[in-house]
Amino acid sequence: QPQLQESGPGLVKPSETLSLTCTVSGDSISGSSYYWSWIRQPPGKGLEWVGSVFRTGDSHYTPSLKSRVSISVDTSKNQFSLRLRSVTATDTAVYFCARHAAGFDYWGQGALVTVSS
Amino acid sequence: QSVLTQPPSASGPPGQRVTISCSGSRSNIGNNDVNWYQQFPGTAPKLLINNNDHRPSGVPGRFSGSKSGTSASLAISGLQSGDEANYYCATWDDSLNGPVFGGGTKLTVL
Repeated sequence: QPQLQESGPGLVKPSETLSLTCTVSGDSISGSSYYWSWIRQPPGKGLEWVGSVFRTGDSHYTPSLKSRVSISVDTSKNQFSLRLRSVTATDTAVYFCARHAAGFDYWGQGALVTVSS
Repeated sequence: QSVLTQPPSASGPPGQRVTISCSGSRSNIGNNDVNWYQQFPGTAPKLLINNNDHRPSGVPGRFSGSKSGTSASLAISGLQSGDEANYYCATWDDSLNGPVFGGGTKLTVL
């Protein structure tokens, strides 16, 4: 049973870069045929797909964030990471990492990231 | 504004059946499978239904999904107080080339 765990700073200043890492256990990113994804949820609001990465590094992003976001994978550490540049208060959200199979079938517990000075 | 449209709320008494709708377009629901998620406050979403009508292992048979054209529905029968949660539909969107979610429906068991 795969387990995913987000880690990273919970507070980021406006205009700086948000960085989160998702560590996967119970499954091998390098051996899987799945995309590994980031999804966010602003406080009190719905879910928004941020982007996904394949074991090869092939990545896809939601159009509204494409100019500011990058997702990378480190198969040696069984991790994938999110970087979101030039953040504003509207980027404040719980960020979830998830495995994308037939739907997002395994999720991390989520990491609240607040953008504030 | 979400690409997929869900009612913001739904409710029903214990034991009854409730359905939650999800409306989209040809580029998303019309061409792709729909998944449903259940989310309790403060927790991660849980995959409830995938491929329109398939229940992952461990999901009770009280939950069922269906799809017709550009709409999908989640039905919950034998409502229980423990079903109070937010429910989200999701699918792939060919125009956006990525997954999209509905705005979510808050289910209240009266």
